[in-house]
Formats: sequence, structure tokens, C-alpha cells
Amino acid sequence: EVQLVESGGGFFQPGGSLRLSCAASGFSLSGSWMHWVRQAPGEGLVWISRIHSDGNTATYADSVRGRFTISRDNAKNTLYLQMDSLRAEDSAVYYCTRQRFDCSTTNCFYWFDPWGQGTLVSVSS
Amino acid sequence: DIQMTQSPSSLSASVGDRVAITCRASQNIATYVNWYQRKPGKAPKVLIYGASNLQSGLPSRFSGSGSGTDFTLTITSLQPEDFATYYCQQTYGNPPWTFGQGTKVEIK
Repeated sequence: EVQLVESGGGFFQPGGSLRLSCAASGFSLSGSWMHWVRQAPGEGLVWISRIHSDGNTATYADSVRGRFTISRDNAKNTLYLQMDSLRAEDSAVYYCTRQRFDCSTTNCFYWFDPWGQGTLVSVSS
Repeated sequence: DIQMTQSPSSLSASVGDRVAITCRASQNIATYVNWYQRKPGKAPKVLIYGASNLQSGLPSRFSGSGSGTDFTLTITSLQPEDFATYYCQQTYGNPPWTFGQGTKVEIK
């Protein structure tokens, strides 16, 4: 079964740090862009970061750039999100997901599949 | 960033009803729209990609349409397992790839 499982969430203080992990099973992460998406309580889904299959290119949302670092270990089939300088507004369920694509001669469509079940991060003093 | 305005935010429908959910983009995004379904406690699942391409293995009662700025997810003959929250997403250009706020489909 193709599956992603996040871990590492919990309760943290503002200014603190944590690292989320996302373990893949049933497929290899190595050939895919991987992303993190979060959802704060009562809010919508928000994309926050992506990383190229080789781990050398990463992109971030403005809200986390400079504080969060995405990385991957293809040998361990695992994606990571290092979260530093935590803020209350970082409280959310964090999902990892794989980017899929379908390309024709004229364009490529991208979507996210599968998604993990999410891990809850709560930041509060 | 491209904004995706999804409506309605919630709706009540009965089994067998036809349901339509819309998303409006803040700029022309061609057909770079996906639709996801999420049930409580479960991971989101893609339904439609590229505005109208049904994900393999999914029932044909789900369909997507639209281009430019206006997009629609239609569920014909709503089934009990379809009661969930639905999200649109745009994947035009480089990230951030933004989502709509979601539509919760509830049982009437």
C-alpha cells in the first residue's frame, strides 16, 4: 500500500524548534518532488514548502521562509521539516504529500497524491 | 499569490442529489486546477486534476469543468460515502499552489 506517515508533532513553546518526519512506504520517494502543507484550526489548506527529488532545490512560502527547512533522505525514504523560531501561528496539522504529474506535448499538470494523515503541532506558552 | 475563492462553504444535500461546487481564481490559470476530497480523520484524496481529468479508479459521478478563472466540481447522484469536505487547488506556474477554503457537504 502506498502510504505516507508523519511524526514529530506535539506541544511546543514559541521560539522553540522541532523536526517533523514523513516516512514513505509502498513506493520510493527518490523520484518525486515532495511537499509540506498545513492546516490551522478552522482554516484552509496552505502550501508551505517543496523539495526536488535530489534534495538540492527547495521552495518556501513567505510565512515560513528563513525559519523552516525542508530536507529528505532518499536512502531512508523519509522527508523532513525542521521548524525553528516557532510562532503561535505555526499551530496546525502538518501534512506531507508527493507531487504527481501528467505531461502532454503542450503542458504538464501537477497534483498531490498520496497525502499523509497529518501530525498536529501546537505552539503556545 | 493566486487566490482561490470556493463556494459555497457548506451545503446540505440528500443521497441521489446533484451537487456543484465552484472555485474562482484571482487570475487566469488555464486548466491548472485540482479537486480533493477529505473525510474526518483521513488524508485528502485527489479526485480531479487538470480541471477535468478524473483520477484513475474513481467513480464517474465525479466530474470537473472550467478554464480560465471559473471551475466547477460536480457530483451527480450523491452517495453516502461522498459526504466530506472538498477543496480546489491551483497549480499554475511555480508555488505557492493555493487552495480554496473548502466546501463541507453534509447530509440533509
